Amino acid sequence: GNSVTQMEGPVTLSEEAFLTINCTYTATGYPSLFWYVQYPGEGLQLLLKATKADDKGSNKGFEATYRKETTSFHLEKGSVQVSDSAVYFCALWEAGTALIFGKGTTLSVSS
Amino acid sequence: KAGVTQTPRYLIKTRGQQVTLSCSPISGHRSVSWYQQTPGQGLQFLFEYFSETQRNKGNFPGRFSGRQFSNSRSEMNVSTLELGDSALYLCASSFDRPNTGELFFGEGSRLTVL
Repeated sequence: GNSVTQMEGPVTLSEEAFLTINCTYTATGYPSLFWYVQYPGEGLQLLLKATKADDKGSNKGFEATYRKETTSFHLEKGSVQVSDSAVYFCALWEAGTALIFGKGTTLSVSS
Repeated sequence: KAGVTQTPRYLIKTRGQQVTLSCSPISGHRSVSWYQQTPGQGLQFLFEYFSETQRNKGNFPGRFSGRQFSNSRSEMNVSTLELGDSALYLCASSFDRPNTGELFFGEGSRLTVL
């Protein structure tokens, strides 16, 4: 079945550091890929998405590229801020199925 | 436009009781999904409803059930509560025309079972 694997957290960074959160997936077809973010005490919100191979999703300085050859969708940001502290979830979706999430990676950014 | 609204936000129950959680989707959204979030298991899919019909179901016991009404509002019910049912229950809605997999989440209902 479909699955998503994310790097274990927590990830602790200083402000303005470079961020990478690794995500790989297993899917039977051609899924769409997503990154969702959950700020403390809130529900999840979509951060970015990519619907086909080589697509790059981007939002709020975050980027991720859909790599079919390595079945990966790593999240990157060049310079993190304290306000980026949250839990980040990688997810995949195929038509007719449910959105499947990774276990989440907690990011903590200090000033 | 109002977001996804879940009620109640917090509740405490004891083992053996049952609970009903409610979800009002974004206006115009016809699909509603439910997820259970726990520290150990992460986000696990419970079920999805579309036009009052269950369209997908996750791997949960029959104690977990749901329904959707004609106005797209949804409820989920957990009967004979167990300690392990303590979790944040998240509802999400989507437009579904087309279905892109993009979900809009509520803030969740945090259930504590004592």
